[in-house]
This record gives sequence, C-alpha cells and structure tokens, in this order.
Amino acid sequence: QVQLVESGGGLVKPGGSLRLSCAASGFTFSDYYMSWIRQAPGKGLEWVSYISSSSSYTNYADSVKGRFTISRDNAKNSLYLQMNSLRAEDTAVYYCARERSIAVAGDAFDIWGQGTMVTVSS
Amino acid sequence: DIQMTQSPSTLSASVGDRVTITCRASQSISSWLAWYQQKPGKAPKLLIYKASSLESGVPSRFSGSGSGTEFTLTISSLQPDDFATYYCQQYNTWTFGQGTKVEIK
Repeated sequence: QVQLVESGGGLVKPGGSLRLSCAASGFTFSDYYMSWIRQAPGKGLEWVSYISSSSSYTNYADSVKGRFTISRDNAKNSLYLQMNSLRAEDTAVYYCARERSIAVAGDAFDIWGQGTMVTVSS
Repeated sequence: DIQMTQSPSTLSASVGDRVTITCRASQSISSWLAWYQQKPGKAPKLLIYKASSLESGVPSRFSGSGSGTEFTLTISSLQPDDFATYYCQQYNTWTFGQGTKVEIK
C-alpha cells in the first residue's frame, strides 16, 4: 500500500545536527513533490521544506533557512532532511508528506508518514 | 507571507450537530485551500482539497466551500469519530491555520 515511513529522530543538544529519512513505498516516488512538515508539542502544523520531483527546486520556511537541507534519492525511494545548528524551538514531530498531484508544485498533502520526534535539549 | 486564521479555536458540539469551521486568508488564494483532520498522536488526514473537492474515501458529511479569502468546512451531522482537530492550509506557500478543536459538548 501507499506508505511513508520516517526515521532518524531523537534527542540532540542545541547546536547539534540530525538527519531525518523518509522511506516511500507503494507509488512512483520520483513523480511527486515532497515536503517536510513539523508540529511542536501541543502546537499546530508548520510547513518546513519542499523538494521537486527531480530535485531541481527546493524551498524552505524562514525559520529553518540556512540550517536545514532537503534532498531525495529517487533510486532509493527516499527523502531526507539534514538539520544543522539545531535550536530548542526545532523540537517537534517531523512528518514527511506527498503532494497529491504528479509533478506539480503547490498542492494538498494526501499521504503523510507517522512522524518522527526530534527533541533539542541540553 | 499569507496568514491563515481559523475560527473558532475550540468548538463544543454534540453527535448529530451541524458544525461549521471558518478559515480566512490574509490575501486571495483563489481555491488553493485544503482541510485536514488530526487525532491525538496521529498524522493529519486530508479531507478536502481545492476548497471544495472531497478526497477519496472521506465521508460525504464533510464539505468545503469558499474562494478568495474566506472558506468553510462543514460537517453535516457530527459523528463520534469526528471529534478531532481540524486545520486549513493554503498551498500557494503552504501556510496552515492554527487549528480548531472539535470537542464533545
């Protein structure tokens, strides 16, 4: 079935780094734009970053620009988020999500992973 | 940046009630709006896209309307499974509303 599975979360000290992964299955991963969205404990949803189907285009929320890098490996059906210079305010559940239309930028997210928790604390 | 404002923040309702949630955009987003349902500890689930299109598999008691800057999500007859938090999202630049929690009255 169509599925996204995140991994790589954990506890990291302020200023540290972490790399999240998202494994896709059940669909042609290389056809779709993908995004990372996060949710701080007890808070709402915040879009973090997107990447086009061929990795040609990326975009970031101002809150993570210059610190986070999104990438993908279509041969491995995988999406990544490299997070550097982590801050306490980056503490959140991080979800990967698929845009519902093939090769289109700017669409609703129809498939979500279960999320992976990132905690930034000393 | 486009800001999305939902109202109310919390809504108390009973099973069988008709429920309406409003989402306002700080500038026109045409019909580029989605609605999601989220239950505690779970990922959001897409309900409505393009303001009024029902996602496959979503019960028909959910409906969306609006365009430009004002949008609504309506649940025609609230069911026990519908108690959750609902988010709107504009997908010009992917901003979410702050959420509306629908709780049992």
